[in-house]
Amino acid sequence: DVQLLESGGGLVQPGGSLRLSCVASGFTFSNYAMTWVRQAPGKGLEWVSGISNSGTHYADSVKGRFTISRDNSKYTLYLQMNTLRVEDTAIYYCAKGLYISGNYFDYWGQGTPVTVSS
Amino acid sequence: DIHMTQSPSSVSASVGDRVTITCRASQSISSWLAWYQQKPGKAPKFLIYAASTLQSGVPSRFSGSGSGTDFTLTISSLQPEDFATYYCQQANSFPYTFGQGTKLKIK
Repeated sequence: DVQLLESGGGLVQPGGSLRLSCVASGFTFSNYAMTWVRQAPGKGLEWVSGISNSGTHYADSVKGRFTISRDNSKYTLYLQMNTLRVEDTAIYYCAKGLYISGNYFDYWGQGTPVTVSS
Repeated sequence: DIHMTQSPSSVSASVGDRVTITCRASQSISSWLAWYQQKPGKAPKFLIYAASTLQSGVPSRFSGSGSGTDFTLTISSLQPEDFATYYCQQANSFPYTFGQGTKLKIK
């Protein structure tokens, strides 16, 4: 079975940094795109970043502050988040792409909460 | 960026009802559209992709249609487990974007 397990969330002050990790199992990790989606408290889903055969992509709201990467040997996806803002507070989900191109997201982790507050 | 608008924002219905949710894109996305279901405190669940292709394991009472800018998700006969929030997502171009969600409530 496909499993995605996020970690690394927590409480951080504005301007701080966090690195999220997502460990995958149950599929050949290198063959699929991966993505991060977040959900602010009581709000809808927001696509954050994706990594696929076409490279890396970011939402305008995080471009220049967040960096997505992957270690295929460790079956792990990362999201380095720098210069964090209060509005980055959310649950961060990693999700597996349906294809290597990653247009759709067929499996999701349980999410890791990030709170940015002084 | 492509803006996705869902309607209604919320809808009340009864078990056995037929419900349709609409999603409109701010520009043509061909058939690059997915639907997700989310229950409180849970991760989203993948339902439909390419506007009308049912993901494996999803009950056949769910169906999707549309192309270009206008899309619909229909649940033919609501079951108790279907009460949730539904999101559309465009997969035509980066940045991918979601609709604001439609909350399906029990009448």
